[in-house]
Amino acid sequence: EVQLVESGGGLVQPGGSLRLSCAASGFTFSSYWMHWVRQAPGKGLVWVSRINSDGTSTTYADSVKGRLTISRDNAKNTLYLQMNSLRPEDTAVYYCTRGTGDLDYWGQGTLVTVSS
Amino acid sequence: SYVLTQPPSVSVAPGKTARITCGGNNIGTKSVHWYQQKPGQAPVRVIYYDSDRPSGIPERFSGSNSGNTATLTISRVEGGDEADYYCQVWDTSNDHPVFGGGTKLTVL
Repeated sequence: EVQLVESGGGLVQPGGSLRLSCAASGFTFSSYWMHWVRQAPGKGLVWVSRINSDGTSTTYADSVKGRLTISRDNAKNTLYLQMNSLRPEDTAVYYCTRGTGDLDYWGQGTLVTVSS
Repeated sequence: SYVLTQPPSVSVAPGKTARITCGGNNIGTKSVHWYQQKPGQAPVRVIYYDSDRPSGIPERFSGSNSGNTATLTISRVEGGDEADYYCQVWDTSNDHPVFGGGTKLTVL
């Protein structure tokens, strides 16, 4: 059974940092592109970042470029999102998901709240 | 970046047919995927590649895509179908997914 389990969310002050993790199981993690998608309270889904299967290529939404860094450890079957210089507008549930084309499996999400 | 436009809300009576549209420039040339999201839950894929249905998704859910509009159709709507629905395509220019703004389906 495919499982994606996010962790690492919490309350952080503006300008602070946080590292999210997404533990994958039930599939060959190293064969899939992975993504972070976020959803601000009461708002829609917004793609944040993606990484290719071997970690050599990454892309970011303009709103997070230079502040968020996606990475992966295929030996540990884990996806990461390093979040620096956080802003109140980064407050959202962050989901990890996989795919190229459609996104067939999603984690349950982890809540990041940026507030003083 | 490619833009997808969805109506904010659609209302339908139980047992009737709901149609949720997703507009985009020549979207008919792209593959469209649809997700259902209920409150407090993660999105669930309900249609992929325009009209394919994942296992476990009722046959009442179907999709079509032509010209500048893709459509998710839900037949014989039930109360349990009440949710937010998002369309998504792959932005081939920038190599990442793009989502529509979402449509809230209300079952009257």
